[in-house]
Amino acid sequence: SQTIHQWPATLVQPVGSPLSLECTVEGTSNPNLYWYRQAAGRGLQLLFYSVGIGQISSEVPQNLSASRPQDRQFILSSKKLLLSDSGFYLCAWSTRDNQPQHFGDGTRLSIL
Amino acid sequence: RKEVEQDPGPFNVPEGATVAFNCTYSNSASQSFFWYRQDCRKEPKLLMSVYSSGNEDGRFTAQLNRASQYISLLIRDSKLSDSATYLCVVTNRGSQGNLIFGKGTKLSVKP
Repeated sequence: SQTIHQWPATLVQPVGSPLSLECTVEGTSNPNLYWYRQAAGRGLQLLFYSVGIGQISSEVPQNLSASRPQDRQFILSSKKLLLSDSGFYLCAWSTRDNQPQHFGDGTRLSIL
Repeated sequence: RKEVEQDPGPFNVPEGATVAFNCTYSNSASQSFFWYRQDCRKEPKLLMSVYSSGNEDGRFTAQLNRASQYISLLIRDSKLSDSATYLCVVTNRGSQGNLIFGKGTKLSVKP
């Protein structure tokens, strides 16, 4: 069966520090991969999605970036975090063709 | 108009009650439809897909009305453990499977 792992579960970072969140998927090949952010009390916002190694599409301009160095690995990064980057970050995967997405446990990021 | 709209609630109901959630979507070309459940401070989890003919999974029934661009979720005999936020989700043709989430309806089931 397929599983998705996301870490760390919680993270507290100072403003201006770098960020690296990692997500890996097991039990499937060539999945679509997604990064979402959910601010407190708000809906899910799609940040990035990837249909293959090295292929990244950005939905929202911001100081975050994403990379997919391997088929089942998706990384969310920032060189300098802002206060507004606080939130709940979720990685998800799906097969193609409008299938449902399955989420990791999420990373709760607090910026001080 | 928002792409997916839901009543934010909260819906406060007693155990055993029947509760219905409604959702409308703006894109008539939307292809796939789902209901997700999100517990407080947790990730969304797929509850059920929604098919044109309607579908049922135990106490949960989902309906789709493409003509009205309307989706519903009915929960019968609600349990305390049903307390969560219910997210209506659609995908659009050519969107590479990107999901469009409603903001969710919060349900609180009381003893």
